[in-house]
Formats: sequence, structure tokens, C-alpha cells
Amino acid sequence: DAKTTQPPSMDCAEGRAANLPCNHSTISGNEYVYWYRQIHSQGPQYIIHGLKNNETNEMASLIITEDRKSSTLILPHATLRDTAVYYCIDYGGATNKLIFGTGTLLAVQP
Amino acid sequence: DAGITQSPRHKVTETGTPVTLRCHQTENHRYMYWYRQDPGHGLRLIHYSYGVKDTDKGEVSDGYSVSRSKTEDFLLTLESATSSQTSVYFCAISRETYNEQFFGPGTRLTVL
Repeated sequence: DAKTTQPPSMDCAEGRAANLPCNHSTISGNEYVYWYRQIHSQGPQYIIHGLKNNETNEMASLIITEDRKSSTLILPHATLRDTAVYYCIDYGGATNKLIFGTGTLLAVQP
Repeated sequence: DAGITQSPRHKVTETGTPVTLRCHQTENHRYMYWYRQDPGHGLRLIHYSYGVKDTDKGEVSDGYSVSRSKTEDFLLTLESATSSQTSVYFCAISRETYNEQFFGPGTRLTVL
């Protein structure tokens, strides 16, 4: 079973920032926070990951709270092509397999 | 995009027949994985490989076997397909364990 909890769905207006929350209530010190997304009928796509510090790449930013119990994935300027199911996953240490939960369905509205 | 292909992309077969799905990579990554995705269950790991001839079971391995005779190819075999194995199958690769995994386009398998 997935160790993280996410809202089942969210809406976002095109061009606005999308902020997707995740709770990591049982994350251990050597587990990373990973984010993936899955666009309909495609394979999951890696987005970003981090351990303690905030991270940014060309796709998104990742904010991790100091206690690491929650994280937020930020898509700075959402487009219609960002409509997908987004998964946050604790991975590393004793958790050597990706465990996908049910994720958050982000619907970007025109 | 990572160089991962899966074949076939779609297959319809009958209960009791053997089926082999192929995953091919051009990235020379050490780790390869097979997942299945079903409504209400998300993605679940079937088997994975950490090198040529080195494989291990995932959480839903019953009814499946795998083989990896070359770095670039990871085969998933259903010895005798059942209707419960109707699913979408994804292959993934990673350079090392705990690294990000890159997924293939998927194979849609229907067992009648």
C-alpha cells in the first residue's frame, strides 16, 4: 500500500501555478520524495525528487517541509498538456520499490 | 525521452495460451522492471531485474516469469494466461536502484 496521501483531484486554470500537496506521515530519514505523473494512456513520467532541500528543474519545483512530513509540487505555469494524474512516492532506504498510490488527478481548465 | 520500447503494444489472446511481452532499452541501464496497471489498483510491481540473469519478485508475481539474457532486453512471460491478467503492462528502467525510473509506452493485453 502507498505510504503517502494526496487529494483525489484538483483543478487549475491554464497559465496559473498548480500546487499539488502530498503528506508523507511515515517517511524515514533516508527516503527521498519522488514525483511522477501519468498522462492518459501513457507510461508514468518522472518529474522531480528531493531529500530535504527544495528542488527545481525544467518541469517543476518541489517544496519539502522541514519535518519532511509534507511536500508540494509546483507547476509554475500550467498548460492543458499538464492534465494528468500526479503521484508522490517515498523511495529509498528500506523502500527499494516504487509504490504508486492513486495520486491526484489535475485538470487544467482553459 | 529514454530509449524504451515495448512489444507488442496491443495483444488479444485466449485463456490458457502462453504470452511473452518484450521490453527493449537502448540506455544500458542496469535495472529493469515490469509493472501492471489496473483500475482501482494503480501500478503494481510484478518482477524486476538488477542485471543479466539477476531477477527478483515484486508484489504481484504469481503467474508471471521473467528472463534477462541481455542487458537491453527484459521479457515477461505468462505461462498460461488467465482473464485476471488482462491489464496494461509497463516496463521501466533505471540506472541504479533508488534512481528515477523511466517508463515505456505500455502493452495492453486482453485475455478472453
